[in-house]
Amino acid sequence: DAGVTQSPTHLIKTRGQHVTLRCSPISGHKSVSWYQQVLGQGPQFIFQYYEKEERGRGNFPDRFSARQFPNYSSELNVNALLLGDSALYLCASSFGVMVLGYMNTEAFFGQGTRLTVV
Amino acid sequence: AQTVTQSQPEMSVQEAETVTLSCTYDTSENNYYLFWYKQPPSRQMILVIRQEAYKQQNATENRFSVNFQKAAKSFSLKISDSQLGDTAMYFCAFMKPRSGNTPLVFGKGTRLSVIA
Repeated sequence: DAGVTQSPTHLIKTRGQHVTLRCSPISGHKSVSWYQQVLGQGPQFIFQYYEKEERGRGNFPDRFSARQFPNYSSELNVNALLLGDSALYLCASSFGVMVLGYMNTEAFFGQGTRLTVV
Repeated sequence: AQTVTQSQPEMSVQEAETVTLSCTYDTSENNYYLFWYKQPPSRQMILVIRQEAYKQQNATENRFSVNFQKAAKSFSLKISDSQLGDTAMYFCAFMKPRSGNTPLVFGKGTRLSVIA
């Protein structure tokens, strides 16, 4: 079975440009979350989507946006890139549902997209 | 808002020895989940172990076990018989469950080096 796949793996952009990162969840997973991990820090939550609806948003500016498609894949868009946006962007997927009263909580992560803004 | 604190930025351990990584958290919730994730140089976050707050028994997964102290809001990870492949960043994380899940709140991580 394929795991969570993210593309591209590495990306170099110039300040002010726009970037789109992509994520394909594990088959059957309906919840996708995006995290930003700055070097030397833990991941910070950006967005969560479940059944194609936004279910949560972290403390990030409006330059960050995302969406989830009918096949549950997701895109993260960042406009007007700043040097401080340089980071590893992680996507995580999970079932996100209650099964027989038990919350399936395990989130599976992709290998991330390393974004460098110069 | 929930916060997770890992007070040990770096640790090292000799191969085959035991090491304990510390984690404390702050929440007003009664029902939640705690996790330890491992991030090797390959960058992919891998779930090591999970603990449900309503369970008093500490979780174990082979060489990995936790010491969950709910009243103290403490959640430490013990790695027994350390192996070179355990070298990685380790992150403690908190989640409040609801339908559709909720985001993970991570600590800043502990860099563990296993020395031969």
